[in-house]
Amino acid sequence: AQSVTQLDSHVSVSEGTPVLLRCNYSSSYSPSLFWYVQHPNKGLQLLLKYTSAATLVKGINGFEAEFKKSETSFHLTKPSAHMSDAAEYFCVVSDQRDDKIIFGKGTRLHILP
Amino acid sequence: DAGVTQSPTHLIKTRGQQVTLRCSPKSGHDTVSWYQQALGQGPQFIFQYYEEEERQRGNFPDRFSGHQFPNYSSELNVNALLLGDSALYLCASSLVTGEQYFGPGTRLTVT
Repeated sequence: AQSVTQLDSHVSVSEGTPVLLRCNYSSSYSPSLFWYVQHPNKGLQLLLKYTSAATLVKGINGFEAEFKKSETSFHLTKPSAHMSDAAEYFCVVSDQRDDKIIFGKGTRLHILP
Repeated sequence: DAGVTQSPTHLIKTRGQQVTLRCSPKSGHDTVSWYQQALGQGPQFIFQYYEEEERQRGNFPDRFSGHQFPNYSSELNVNALLLGDSALYLCASSLVTGEQYFGPGTRLTVT
């Protein structure tokens, strides 16, 4: 069975400092992993995805994530936070065997001026 | 390209009523998935339609049903509404094994 755990429900960082949003996953088969962002009153937007190619994945808006199989982690990072990054972020796992998609509970990112 | 569109934007219903939500997929996409996002939670997978058939289903009761039309648009129907059905309902479209594109959602309030 698949599962995904986002380790922090809220993260606050100052503008211009690094961002780290943590995600651990569990999957019986080769997983596909995604990060989505949800701004208030807007739809979900895909930031990046891992599908068994390079373990370091670069996404939009300067975000990247590293797939670490030994740690079953897929943490999202950004070197320098911007005020526009304030949003809800979801880590998502999909089992490549049956394509079922499981969302984490989300991490609310707050950017302090 | 209009992207994924959903209607209506907001809806208020009474317990016991029935509701139909609609989704038009992104141009060229043939697969539609529906999700329920309760307040403060991540989206939960309801079901997915491909070639007018339900391809996969999450852990939702039979009160939740759907349909996909030949033009790939889709409807989500919920019968016998409960207060707990209040949520944001998201539609996502894709090619059958591709990246999902989400619509803005329909906010359903059950009173």
